[in-house]
Amino acid sequence: KAGVTQTPRYLIKTRGQQVTLSCSPISGHRSVSWYQQTPGQGLQFLFEYFSETQRNKGNFPGRFSGRQFSNSRSEMNVSTLELGDSALYLCASSFSGGVTDTQYFGPGTRLTVL
Amino acid sequence: GIQVEQSPPDLILQEGANSTLRCNFSDSVNNLQWFHQNPWGQLINLFYIPSGTKQNGRLSATTVATERYSLLYISSSQTTDSGVYFCAVVAGGATNKLIFGTGTLLAVQP
Repeated sequence: KAGVTQTPRYLIKTRGQQVTLSCSPISGHRSVSWYQQTPGQGLQFLFEYFSETQRNKGNFPGRFSGRQFSNSRSEMNVSTLELGDSALYLCASSFSGGVTDTQYFGPGTRLTVL
Repeated sequence: GIQVEQSPPDLILQEGANSTLRCNFSDSVNNLQWFHQNPWGQLINLFYIPSGTKQNGRLSATTVATERYSLLYISSSQTTDSGVYFCAVVAGGATNKLIFGTGTLLAVQP
């Protein structure tokens, strides 16, 4: 079974631009979560989607948004990029998003904002 | 909210040595996972272990939920074990949000 895939793997953008990242979960998994990893803040939860609905959201500004499609693939969007948005963005999938589910991570998208 | 602390923050080993990594958490948890982050950034699942003991090859883990800690044991370390090890927990409530510790950076020298 193929793992979680993320595209693109690397991105370079400039301040003020917007960016869209994509995540394809493991086949059969319906929950997708997004995390941001920075050297200063570590790994932080952005949001979780299940059956095309956002179920949980972390403490990030409204510039960070996401969506999920009927095939469970998910995208996250960051508008009006700031230098501080430079980070590794990781998505994780799980079967049902239950609190006891094992979550599996993709390889990440490394975003650099200049 | 729940706090997750990992120790030691850094560890340098010679190949073949054994090590123990610790994860303390401040509240009861529904879920605890150990991950290894490789040099390219991917988080590799090691164990799902909210309680009890599991073993997988040279790695084993024990979680004592009543005392709010988990241990990851690495035996006969290899250079490929280098990287950052994270524990992450899901606390109470309906969310499956993982709360990560700050990690242990392991360097295994040949």
